[in-house]
Amino acid sequence: AQKITQTQPGMFVQEKEAVTLDCTYDTSDQSYGLFWYKQPSSGEMIFLIYQGSYDEQNATEGRYSLNFQKARKSANLVISASQLGDSAMYFCAMRDWSGGGADGLTFGKGTHLIIQP
Amino acid sequence: EPEVTQTPSHQVTQMGQEVILRCVPISNHLYFYWYRQILGQKVEFLVSFYNNEISEKSEIFDDQFSVERPDGSNFTLKIRSTKLEDSAMYFCASEPSLNNEQFFGPGTRLTVL
Repeated sequence: AQKITQTQPGMFVQEKEAVTLDCTYDTSDQSYGLFWYKQPSSGEMIFLIYQGSYDEQNATEGRYSLNFQKARKSANLVISASQLGDSAMYFCAMRDWSGGGADGLTFGKGTHLIIQP
Repeated sequence: EPEVTQTPSHQVTQMGQEVILRCVPISNHLYFYWYRQILGQKVEFLVSFYNNEISEKSEIFDDQFSVERPDGSNFTLKIRSTKLEDSAMYFCASEPSLNNEQFFGPGTRLTVL
């Protein structure tokens, strides 16, 4: 069974600083994908970034990058130059590609990030 | 930019009543999903749907739940006899093909009294 662990229930960060949100995962599959979603207080789920298990380079999307360490089974999200609008819940999620069907995402419990001015 | 839409945004119902939550996925997407998020908890997968049938479902998706794509655009989740513990935010998501990003709708908050 897949499992996602996010060990930081909450974080306070000063505006303009970089922030790293931790995520570790557990799976016996070789082929899988890792995702990060942002959930602001309004409740919607916003896709941020994706990393495939066979991708050799870390994924980047604007100010977001994913620090993928496969041997350690970690997929930390790095937000550079944080902004007040980054305040939200952040969920790490994974999905394996081995089943052949349309598997759903397995989510972690999330990290509540608060950016302070 | 195309987006997934969900209606209603908030539904209040009495325990034991049937509810239908509606979703309009992005038009060229082929895979559809329902998730739920109990207040303050993580998002949980319920069911996936492809080619007019259920592809995968979780342990949560028991006989009280059903999904349907009644026409070319809507994707619905029905809860036959709601329980208090069904109170949650329900998210619909769609995906153009497997191995891709799932696009989430804004969610329907279901409150069971």
